[in-house]
Amino acid sequence: AQSVTQLGSHVSVSEGALVLLRCNYSSSVPPYLFWYVQYPNQGLQLLLKYTSAATLVKGINGFEAEFKKSETSFHLTKPSAHMSDAAEYFCAVRSIYNQGGKLIFGQGTELSVKP
Amino acid sequence: GAGVSQSPRYKVAKRGQDVALRCDPISGHVSLFWYQQALGQGPEFLTYFQNEAQLDKSGLPSDRFFAERPEGSVSTLKIQRTQQEDSAVYLCASSLISDEQFFGPGTRLTVL
Repeated sequence: AQSVTQLGSHVSVSEGALVLLRCNYSSSVPPYLFWYVQYPNQGLQLLLKYTSAATLVKGINGFEAEFKKSETSFHLTKPSAHMSDAAEYFCAVRSIYNQGGKLIFGQGTELSVKP
Repeated sequence: GAGVSQSPRYKVAKRGQDVALRCDPISGHVSLFWYQQALGQGPEFLTYFQNEAQLDKSGLPSDRFFAERPEGSVSTLKIQRTQQEDSAVYLCASSLISDEQFFGPGTRLTVL
């Protein structure tokens, strides 16, 4: 069965500092991987996705993530945090064999950005 | 509208009442998903439709939960005899087949 673990339910950084949100997955074969952001009282918005092409994936708002098969990780980074980045971030997996299939989400990481 | 819409945005129900939550997907999107997001948790899959066919309902927590999409567009998630543990945000998402899922704003259900 597939699963996702996000290390750290809360991460706090200063404005301008590096953002690093951790995600590890468990799957018998490398899955498709996603990062979503959720602002208060809003739905989820896709930041970026890995679908077995380039292992370094660039997304919106300056975020990027690197797929590392040996570490079963897909950590999200941004070189310089902005106040508007404060939100909840979710890592998710989907089986490559289930094209129309469900997403399995991690527990989420709340990012706070201090001025 | 251009995005996925859900109604109502907020619903308060007394324990034992039935509720119906509506999802309007993006026009032309074949796939439709329902997820349940408890407070402080990630979304959990409930059920999936491809057009009007319900292809996966493995995530529905009990037989009190029922979903339909009779014409392959709008979908309704119905919860019968609501319980306090049903309190959550219910998210709907739609997509073209094997593509990005676009999420609606959710319906926050509170069962008293």
